Amino acid sequence: GAVVSQHPSWVICKSGTSVKIECRSLDFQATTMFWYRQFPKQSLMLMATSNEGSKATYEQGVEKDKFLINHASLTLSTLTVTSAHPEDSSFYICSARDELYGTQYFGPGTRLLVL
Amino acid sequence: GQNIDQPTEMTATEGAIVQINCTYQTSGFNGLFWYQQHAGEAPTFLSYNVLDGLEEKGRFSSFLSRSKGYSYLLLKELQMKDSASYLCAVPTRSNDYKLSFGAGTTVTVRA
Repeated sequence: GAVVSQHPSWVICKSGTSVKIECRSLDFQATTMFWYRQFPKQSLMLMATSNEGSKATYEQGVEKDKFLINHASLTLSTLTVTSAHPEDSSFYICSARDELYGTQYFGPGTRLLVL
Repeated sequence: GQNIDQPTEMTATEGAIVQINCTYQTSGFNGLFWYQQHAGEAPTFLSYNVLDGLEEKGRFSSFLSRSKGYSYLLLKELQMKDSASYLCAVPTRSNDYKLSFGAGTTVTVRA
């Protein structure tokens, strides 16, 4: 149990395009999901908290208009990187909080490469 | 805020035991998590301690002392596949679900 999926696992896009990443909790409901970014050999950096049915809460320094988050159901949150640039290339990881046990489970991550 | 400290690196031999310590300071406490992260992959959940004491899960055990702000992850009968980064994490505030992570401890298992 407690499986979180992400799609796609890899994406390469041209500068200026938008990319949507999906995060799904497969066998539990998640009112709260989180989006992280991780650069090589660095720690996880929390970007935003995604709350089902309400607006996401962004961490300081993260542009909400650039990283659009939608949490339309209890099992799905999406992150859209708008007008992507090479500096947005990173490893994006979502996590979902299992309400029953209070544990966060991570998705497998999405590698984004912007050319 | 949170102040989470764990060693940067540890090296051990296959079959040995490794203890990864984590100290934290937090305003309010709502549990402590340990995650394993292999290079190039996302973290995977190992353990969640809310109460003091030792919790054992196969070769991995996690200990918590809330009064001391201290936890450790014990890896027994080390295998090569245990080479990874081990992350200690606590919620940023009491009743808040955001996790604050330590920088991670890179464990290298040698034959």
